[in-house]
Amino acid sequence: EAQVTQNPRYLITVTGKKLTVTCSQNMNHEYMSWYRQDPGLGLRQIYYSMNVEVTDKGDVPEGYKVSRKEKRNFPLILESPSPNQTSLYFCASSLLRTGGNYGYTFGSGTRLTVV
Amino acid sequence: AQSVTQLDSQVPVFEEAPVELRCNYSSSVSVYLFWYVQYPNQGLQLLLKYLSGSTLVKSINGFEAEFNKSQTSFHLRKPSVHISDTAEYFCAVSDQGDTGGFKTIFGAGTRLFVKA
Repeated sequence: EAQVTQNPRYLITVTGKKLTVTCSQNMNHEYMSWYRQDPGLGLRQIYYSMNVEVTDKGDVPEGYKVSRKEKRNFPLILESPSPNQTSLYFCASSLLRTGGNYGYTFGSGTRLTVV
Repeated sequence: AQSVTQLDSQVPVFEEAPVELRCNYSSSVSVYLFWYVQYPNQGLQLLLKYLSGSTLVKSINGFEAEFNKSQTSFHLRKPSVHISDTAEYFCAVSDQGDTGGFKTIFGAGTRLFVKA
């Protein structure tokens, strides 16, 4: 089954404790991205990657890191989480065409709480 | 910078009535446009997309959206809604960013609530 797999689904952590949220896709998609969803703000793009070893900042990259060492994986790293990073996070992937993203397949989401 | 504006945060409607969810975007170049749906406590699913060609695009469950370049709009419509259409709907645009990469920006969402 074609899918984007995120882990974990739920995570409660303490301020300053480094964490990684994993994301993997099995569709050979070039483009992968991380978003956070907050009430009233919709989805805001954190980072995106257009291919292996090619990453770029979205609109809210502060406090986050990513890497794309393999085409299928795109982990999100919070080096020192803070309470304002409490949110619902989504990983997404898509094919890439001349004009951009071809339409996302989303993961199921990771609900992160930082206390 | 590109932006996406969904003009209504909530739209209540009775079952079998028509509905329109409005979306306007700002971009100076050609874009790809999307509508996504998020059912309660679920992730997002692609509902329909405009990439090129016909300005009217349709989904398998009766929704349609029309790309209007002069008005920079991509409104979503359905002639007769069902209770099961209750969800949050997000408009999105994919466009080339300042560094040459492709960013995809979402609107704040419109919550469609279908009443019996």
